[in-house]
Amino acid sequence: DAGVIQSPRHEVTEMGQEVTLRCKPISGHDYLFWYRQTMMRGLELLIYFNNNVPIDDSGMPEDRFSAKMPNASFSTLKIQPSEPRDSAVYFCASSRNSRRADTQYFGPGTRLTVL
Amino acid sequence: ELKVEQNPLFLSMQEGKNYTIYCNYSTTSDRLYWYRQDPGKSLESLFVLLSNGAVKQEGRLMASLDTKARLSTLHITAAVHDLSATYFCAVDGGATNKLIFGTGTLLAVQP
Repeated sequence: DAGVIQSPRHEVTEMGQEVTLRCKPISGHDYLFWYRQTMMRGLELLIYFNNNVPIDDSGMPEDRFSAKMPNASFSTLKIQPSEPRDSAVYFCASSRNSRRADTQYFGPGTRLTVL
Repeated sequence: ELKVEQNPLFLSMQEGKNYTIYCNYSTTSDRLYWYRQDPGKSLESLFVLLSNGAVKQEGRLMASLDTKARLSTLHITAAVHDLSATYFCAVDGGATNKLIFGTGTLLAVQP
């Protein structure tokens, strides 16, 4: 299995621009998670999906952030407009469907820099 | 609200020494995960502990879980430089299927 795939791996943009991060979960995994990691705030869960449906978006920092999962093999996290404080590494993770939390497998991350 | 605390946050060790990282959590859970993150890399699953008293070992790392004390430990034996990384514990968030991550412990093994 190729593991969780994220693109782009690095993104540099200017303040005010729209940024779209992409994620392909492991085939057969029904849960998909978006995290943000910074030195100051550590690892934060932004939103997660089960069977393509958003379950909990309470970690999304503000309305500038949105996430979608149009099908089982693709999800996007969009920031519009971007701000310098959005600079972070964004991870996507996926896990199997189970009645309890299962091991989450993380993608390589997207390092976002907003100038 | 489930809270997960790790200590120490930073650990500098000499090669060949032993040490333990602690992970405390605030509410009942019998499922705990340990992850490793190398600098500039992603998180990699190390251990899954699924019941009270569970112990898992791989190489110089051994993890254990005491659900009554709400405590997991990650013991490092005879540390080597290759173990330098950040180690996270994560606890099953219950019916939410979320994992609640600790703050991480940055381990630096000095030659």
